[in-house]
Amino acid sequence: AQKVTQAQTEISVVEKEDVTLDCVYETRDTTYYLFWYKQPPSGELVFLIRRNSFDEQNEISGRYSWNFQKSTSSFNFTITASQVVDSAVYFCALSDPYNQGGKLIFGQGTELSVKP
Amino acid sequence: DTGVSQDPRHKITKRGQNVTFRCDPISEHNRLYWYRQTLGQGPEFLTYFQNEAQLEKSRLLSDRFSAERPKGSFSTLEIQRTEQGDSAMYLCASSFPGTEMYEQYFGPGTRLTVT
Repeated sequence: AQKVTQAQTEISVVEKEDVTLDCVYETRDTTYYLFWYKQPPSGELVFLIRRNSFDEQNEISGRYSWNFQKSTSSFNFTITASQVVDSAVYFCALSDPYNQGGKLIFGQGTELSVKP
Repeated sequence: DTGVSQDPRHKITKRGQNVTFRCDPISEHNRLYWYRQTLGQGPEFLTYFQNEAQLEKSRLLSDRFSAERPKGSFSTLEIQRTEQGDSAMYLCASSFPGTEMYEQYFGPGTRLTVT
């Protein structure tokens, strides 16, 4: 069975601090995709990144960076120099678009609070 | 096209009533998904369509739930004889399984409160 675990329920940091959100996944599939979504207080899920299982290169987008390690089944997300606008709930998700129709299996989310 | 839209945004109903939600996906997105999100949890998959065909239903989708996508465009999710446990955010998402896609774009959700 597929499963995503986000062990950190809540994280609170002060603005400009770096913060890493952890994500550990379980799957027996060899081909899969991993995602991060942001859910601000308004409620709409915002897509941040997609990574396929064959691409373990780390990615950086502005203040955001992602570290994908198949050896530890982890796909961690780091925000550098956090800002108040980063306050939201962040979800890690897993899907197998070829065998399971692309449905997303979400973790429970990590609520990030960035204080000024 | 501005994205996935859902209607209504909020619905308050009394236990035992029927409710219906609508989702309009992004044009040309042939896959449409429904998820349910309860407070403090991640979204949970309910069902998905490829064009007008409903290809998978979760065990969460009891007999009181039915979803349709009659012409492969918009979709409706109906809950009959609502129960307090149905109170949740119902999210719709669409995707286009092209070579670079597979990410799902979500609508704003319909928040259901059953009193």
